[in-house]
Amino acid sequence: DVKVTQSSRYLVKRTGEKVFLECVQDMDHENMFWYRQDPGLGLRLIYFSYDVKMKEKGDIPEGYSVSREKKERFSLILESASTNQTSMYLCASHPDRGVAETQYFGPGTRLLVL
Amino acid sequence: GQNIDQPTEMTATEGAIVQINCTYQTSGFNGLFWYQQHAGEAPTFLSYNVLDGLEEKGRFSSFLSRSKGYSYLLLKELQMKDSASYLCAVRDRRGYQKVTFGTGTKLQVIP
Repeated sequence: DVKVTQSSRYLVKRTGEKVFLECVQDMDHENMFWYRQDPGLGLRLIYFSYDVKMKEKGDIPEGYSVSREKKERFSLILESASTNQTSMYLCASHPDRGVAETQYFGPGTRLLVL
Repeated sequence: GQNIDQPTEMTATEGAIVQINCTYQTSGFNGLFWYQQHAGEAPTFLSYNVLDGLEEKGRFSSFLSRSKGYSYLLLKELQMKDSASYLCAVRDRRGYQKVTFGTGTKLQVIP
């Protein structure tokens, strides 16, 4: 079974803090994704990475950066957290092989910025 | 870009059949996914359609019409545990790893 893990289930941070969200997958997938999910807005893509050290902006990259130094790990960084970044953050991974393959999601991190 | 529309909420009775619709307008198309998401949990994969027609998997079926930009998810013999949000997601041909999600349909199953 594919396993995608995220470093925290719940996180509380203060405005202006630097926040790191970590995601690790154990299936050697090439592609990894960070989404945020908000009521009424659905899942929105922040950044994705299709290879080590490669990254592409998603639909809402402002205020975020990412790092992929190793294939299994994809980090999302909030350089200076703001209250409008309070959200559920979901990481996913996907193999290059097989168009019909689904994305596999981690359990999510619920971030509250005070 | 992609535009994906789903009803926000639906209610159905235990044991009944419910159809959740999804319409999309996209610049490219390379497959449509349906996911189930229980409250506070991650989405889990239900189905994938890339060709027109119906795909059946047990109590769940998914239909696609590419010419109409339309899909539906059909849930039969509804159970209380089917209460969840159902997400439609479209893969853009331009970068096949990337998908765009609809806002989801929250289904409540009542006794």
